Amino acid sequence: EVQLVESGGGLVQPGGSLRLSCAASGFSFSSYWMHWVRQAPGKGLVWVSRINSDGSSTSYADSVKGRFTISRDNAKNTLYLQMNSLRAEDTAVYYCARDGGTSSWDVWGKGTTVTVSS
Amino acid sequence: DIQMTQSPSSLSASVGDRVTITCQASQDISDHLNWYQQKSGKAPKLLIYDASNLETGVPSRFSGSGSGTDFTFTISSLQPEDIATYYCHQYESLPYTFGQGTKLEIK
Repeated sequence: EVQLVESGGGLVQPGGSLRLSCAASGFSFSSYWMHWVRQAPGKGLVWVSRINSDGSSTSYADSVKGRFTISRDNAKNTLYLQMNSLRAEDTAVYYCARDGGTSSWDVWGKGTTVTVSS
Repeated sequence: DIQMTQSPSSLSASVGDRVTITCQASQDISDHLNWYQQKSGKAPKLLIYDASNLETGVPSRFSGSGSGTDFTFTISSLQPEDIATYYCHQYESLPYTFGQGTKLEIK
């Protein structure tokens, strides 16, 4: 079964750090670009970051640039999002998504919740 | 950034109704648009890619059309399981952006 499972969310104080993981299974992870998307409570979807299949190219939303780092370990079939200098406005459910080609994000994880609060 | 204006923001319809949602891009995005369904507390699900292509396994009552700046998403006959929020999403250029969502309810 094709699956993405996020982990690493939790409660963190403003200015703190978290690393999210997204474990992939059931498909050739190293062949796909991957994305992180977040959703603040009661709000819509917001794209956060993307990484190409071999990890050599990354892109970020302006709101997280310089604070978040996307990476991947194709040997471990895992995507990461290192989040530093966290702010209250980073509070959200974070989803990882597979880019199935032509940017059709066809597989999504169930999400992991990040809460930034003192 | 490309702004995606989705309407309506909420919609109430009866089972069997034809439902239409529109999405307007702030600039030409060709057919670089997807539609997602998100049920309460769940992850989004891809329904339509490249503006008009039905994702494998998605019921044929769902369809999409449009190109350039104006796009339409249609449910030909609303079913109870279609209750969800629907989002359009452009991938013409970074940053990728979504419409604000349309919350669909059963009347």
